[in-house]
Amino acid sequence: SYTLTQPLSVSVALGQTARITCGGDNIGSKFVHWYRQRPGQAPVLVIYRDTNRPSGIPERFSGSNSGNTATLTISGAQVGDEADYFCQAWDSGTAAVFGGGTKLTVL
Amino acid sequence: EVQLVESGGGVVRPGGSLRLSCAASGFTFAHYGMSWVRQVPGKGPEWVSGINWNGISTTYADSVKGRFSISRDDAKNSLYLQMDSLRAEDTAFYYCARLMEGYSGSAVDYWGQGTLVTVSS
Repeated sequence: SYTLTQPLSVSVALGQTARITCGGDNIGSKFVHWYRQRPGQAPVLVIYRDTNRPSGIPERFSGSNSGNTATLTISGAQVGDEADYFCQAWDSGTAAVFGGGTKLTVL
Repeated sequence: EVQLVESGGGVVRPGGSLRLSCAASGFTFAHYGMSWVRQVPGKGPEWVSGINWNGISTTYADSVKGRFSISRDDAKNSLYLQMDSLRAEDTAFYYCARLMEGYSGSAVDYWGQGTLVTVSS
């Protein structure tokens, strides 16, 4: 089965740029989606189809996907961005797969 | 406003059954593929099952295949998950989730608040 690998944690200084990676075999050939989850809440979609932002998500959030790595980039990180972030793709078109999640800390 | 409200969670013994329901509102339910996704606190989400917009195509994670069954009732704007032969490892929050675009390859654009299923003797 297909596996998505994320770092357990990423730290970023306030106002700097955070990058969260999601590794998978030839992930660049798949669409990758990203979710933010705050404690006690359901996940929220922040990037879909690699690079697209849903309405209501700030332009500070962007995504890229190539080769074996997809990346979520958060520019000008704010305290409110602290959360767990998950990547998601589809395995053989029949089952969705999620990464294990990355805890973002804003220092 | 899109709303997905799950119900039916609870405590059940190993080998038992539960039926989860999801009441959808704020959109044309019959036009969307839907999924169930579960999550153990502190872990990443796990996709459980999905059903396409017309109910003809259903898929399951290997971990639940043969034990869980997904269905929908468009007249009632509702999604269901019948869970049989439950195991301790099925313990998790179960989320009802709307697929944004079609089915395969789609993101989840709306999630319910989740219902807790606990399998314990």
